[in-house]
Amino acid sequence: QSMLTQPPSMSGAPGQRVTISCTGSSSNIGAADDIHWYQQLPGAAPKLLIYRNTYRPSGVPDRFSGSKSGTSASLAITGLQAEDEADYYCQSYVSSLSGSVFGGGTKLTVL
Amino acid sequence: QVHLQQWGAGLLKPSETLSLTCGVSGGSFTTHSWNWIRQPPGKGLEWIGENTHGGRTTYNSSLESRVLMSVDASRNQFSLRLSSVTAADTAIYYCARRFQYHFDHWGQGTQVTVSS
Repeated sequence: QSMLTQPPSMSGAPGQRVTISCTGSSSNIGAADDIHWYQQLPGAAPKLLIYRNTYRPSGVPDRFSGSKSGTSASLAITGLQAEDEADYYCQSYVSSLSGSVFGGGTKLTVL
Repeated sequence: QVHLQQWGAGLLKPSETLSLTCGVSGGSFTTHSWNWIRQPPGKGLEWIGENTHGGRTTYNSSLESRVLMSVDASRNQFSLRLSSVTAADTAIYYCARRFQYHFDHWGQGTQVTVSS
């Protein structure tokens, strides 16, 4: 069982807004730990989508945004497009482990 | 432009040792931490371990007894060895660069299948 919990699947119609959650617990992911998000298109390597909770790398559309409160984080996608159909993973670096953990992933389907 | 290119054997028999290497071009090699991550078929991402720029190596505790990671800074390469593989080690293996606390560059992935 992952230290970060995500819904296994979500769906939305084109143009809609979807929010994917990523929940840790105070016993592992601290409120000060950052959450990062990755998008994995079918057959491709994961790609960094959001880092340090809210920042977008160059080239990532502003339709993607991140937020964090306490030990929970969210990835919001507005104006959903067919090309957004992918798996999304959250990740955090856990100091007590000196390593990283990933959420179980959320499969997003665009209806 | 940073680019990670990985290579290694893709088909192994049970009990053999998995060996993968990741070559890095562009950017600074010695000031970043280098990671291996895997993804079993149809499943999520699992962090395997890391060589930090400070020279420390850390592993996922679930794999620690079988994993060895190393760095060759003179060649801008880092490597993964996983011994005594079983079918449960069948996965796509990715190398990745950790910048601060996130992974900003990934290799293309290597499918490793363990089958008798």
